[in-house]
Amino acid sequence: TQLLEQSPQFLSIQEGENLTVYCNSSSVFSSLQWYRQEPGEGPVLLVTVVTGGEVKKLKRLTFQFGDARKDSSLHITAAQPGDTGLYLCAGYYNQGGKLIFGQGTELSVKP
Amino acid sequence: GAGVSQSPRYKVAKRGQDVALRCDPISGHVSLFWYQQALGQGPEFLTYFQNEAQLDKSGLPSDRFFAERPEGSVSTLKIQRTQQEDSAVYLCASSRGQQETQYFGPGTRLLVL
Repeated sequence: TQLLEQSPQFLSIQEGENLTVYCNSSSVFSSLQWYRQEPGEGPVLLVTVVTGGEVKKLKRLTFQFGDARKDSSLHITAAQPGDTGLYLCAGYYNQGGKLIFGQGTELSVKP
Repeated sequence: GAGVSQSPRYKVAKRGQDVALRCDPISGHVSLFWYQQALGQGPEFLTYFQNEAQLDKSGLPSDRFFAERPEGSVSTLKIQRTQQEDSAVYLCASSRGQQETQYFGPGTRLLVL
């Protein structure tokens, strides 16, 4: 059983389209993080959301933390081929250093 | 160094062989983490060190997996008697503290034949 469920698992879109990736849990998290991972590399942190209802923007990427701090979303506007990669949400389990990841969303943006 | 480095980047092992994977964290980072990542999936937590102390090893899949960080810097993940299901990318990450931003290395891709 996954503590963090991501959807969709795969997404193939054309350049210029918009998309949203979801990260859901039945558990409350003190914060959630979004990472992007390219082939042959480790994940790179994009953003951390901490407050329920929080919205953060990073250029064409918009991240939202649910009011109850159980879910988060990533919205990309006008996707570009350079956005292609594996997008991962993650949260800390309990008070320790154990970071739990979702299954990931494999995004492919075709020119 | 500038980032987390891992070696080797690729390892092919015959079933039953022992392997050792090395992680060099960012200088001064107290916390070090190991993850296992199957193809197209998210990383799964294996174990975590604070300095030389292994604080959580709940993710290690069996007693064939062993990790150490004897001097609180470089860490080694050892897998004894490798099995085909051990084939995965093994990621190392380091951070300044327990819930600080984790910086990941490029991973070691292990293939067990």
